Amino acid sequence: GENVEQHPSTLSVQEGDSAVIKCTYSDSASNYFPWYKQELGKRPQLIIDIRSNVGEKKDQRIAVTLNKTAKHFSLHITETQPEDSAVYFCAASGGYNKLIFGAGTRLAVHP
Amino acid sequence: EPEVTQTPSHQVTQMGQEVILRCVPISNHLYFYWYRQILGQKVEFLVSFYNNEISEKSEIFDDQFSVERPDGSNFTLKIRSTKLEDSAMYFCASMTSGAYNSPLHFGNGTRLTVT
Repeated sequence: GENVEQHPSTLSVQEGDSAVIKCTYSDSASNYFPWYKQELGKRPQLIIDIRSNVGEKKDQRIAVTLNKTAKHFSLHITETQPEDSAVYFCAASGGYNKLIFGAGTRLAVHP
Repeated sequence: EPEVTQTPSHQVTQMGQEVILRCVPISNHLYFYWYRQILGQKVEFLVSFYNNEISEKSEIFDDQFSVERPDGSNFTLKIRSTKLEDSAMYFCASMTSGAYNSPLHFGNGTRLTVT
């Protein structure tokens, strides 16, 4: 069935360092790949997304890359700040307009 | 900026009781969803709804679950006979159009606690 694997489950970095989170998906028909940030007790919020006709997208300190052949995509956060600390979820489109989420990565940025 | 709104924010119920979780999607959105998140785990798809009918449902969405759009604004999730394992955060979400031409917007969630 449809599945999204996400690694690592936890990530600890020093402020100013880069953070990379990786996801793989199983459904070759997936064509949309958003990333969500979830702070404790709050809703997931979209931070960046990429569609299958694009290999890379950047928005200030965050970027996402997509390798359709290998069926994996990654989130890159540069110059991390303490307020980047949260749980990050990748997702892939599947079925009839639904999103399948990865298990999440808890990012801790230490001052 | 328009938001998806959910009520209540927290619902406590006893096992075996029925609960109804309510959502008001963004007004010009056409696709509606319920997701759930057990504490500390991933966000799981439950059901999608379009044109007044279910488009797709997961294996979690068994006969105990139902959804309804009783009027032009509300979108509800009913659990007929709650179980302990139904305790989770339930998120409603909506989207303008299909094929992800627009982002999926989540509500703030309803935390359901079954005792």
